Amino acid sequence: DAKTTQPTSMDCAEGRAANLPCNHSTISGNEYVYWYRQIHSQGPQYIIHGLKNNETNEMASLIITEDRKSSTLILPHATLRDTAVYYCIVRVANYGQNFVFGPGTRLSVLP
Amino acid sequence: EAGVTQFPSHSVIEKGQTVTLRCDPISGHDNLYWYRRVMGKEIKFLLHFVKESKQDESGMPNNRFLAERTGGTYSTLKVQPAELEDSGVYFCASSQDGQYSNTGELFFGEGSRLTVL
Repeated sequence: DAKTTQPTSMDCAEGRAANLPCNHSTISGNEYVYWYRQIHSQGPQYIIHGLKNNETNEMASLIITEDRKSSTLILPHATLRDTAVYYCIVRVANYGQNFVFGPGTRLSVLP
Repeated sequence: EAGVTQFPSHSVIEKGQTVTLRCDPISGHDNLYWYRRVMGKEIKFLLHFVKESKQDESGMPNNRFLAERTGGTYSTLKVQPAELEDSGVYFCASSQDGQYSNTGELFFGEGSRLTVL
């Protein structure tokens, strides 16, 4: 079973920031927070991951609370192409640990 | 550089028939995973290869499913005999994770859609 809780769906206006929350209250010290997304029926796509520090890359920013029990994925300027299901996953970052996908958050970016 | 490629993109077979799905991981990736999404359900892990060895096959639903990765390169997933409930999208992913790596990024293919009639 997934160790994370996410809202089922969210809407965001095009050009605005999309903030996707994730709760992972049982996360352990060696587990990372990963975010993936699935656009329509394509294969899941990696977005970003982090352990305890905030992270930023060309796609998004990841804000992890100090107690690590929750995090927020931020898409700074959402476009229509960002409409997808977003998955928050916690996982120990070494081989042998598979990714457990939950239902995710369906983000709809509206024109 | 080519990404993870899967073949076929879509297969339609009748119940009781056999289907073999193929996955070519990114060159140099030792780790290869199979996942599937059946209609209305979440993406579920099937198994994980490290090179040619099965690291974890705890997600394989039953013995009608057989995965191989001869030579540690491409992998095949055979379903024999196929049942109606096997319909779904089968995803393959690969990664460079090693024992001391903390990247953890999986690169997924576009999936093979299986329809069992």
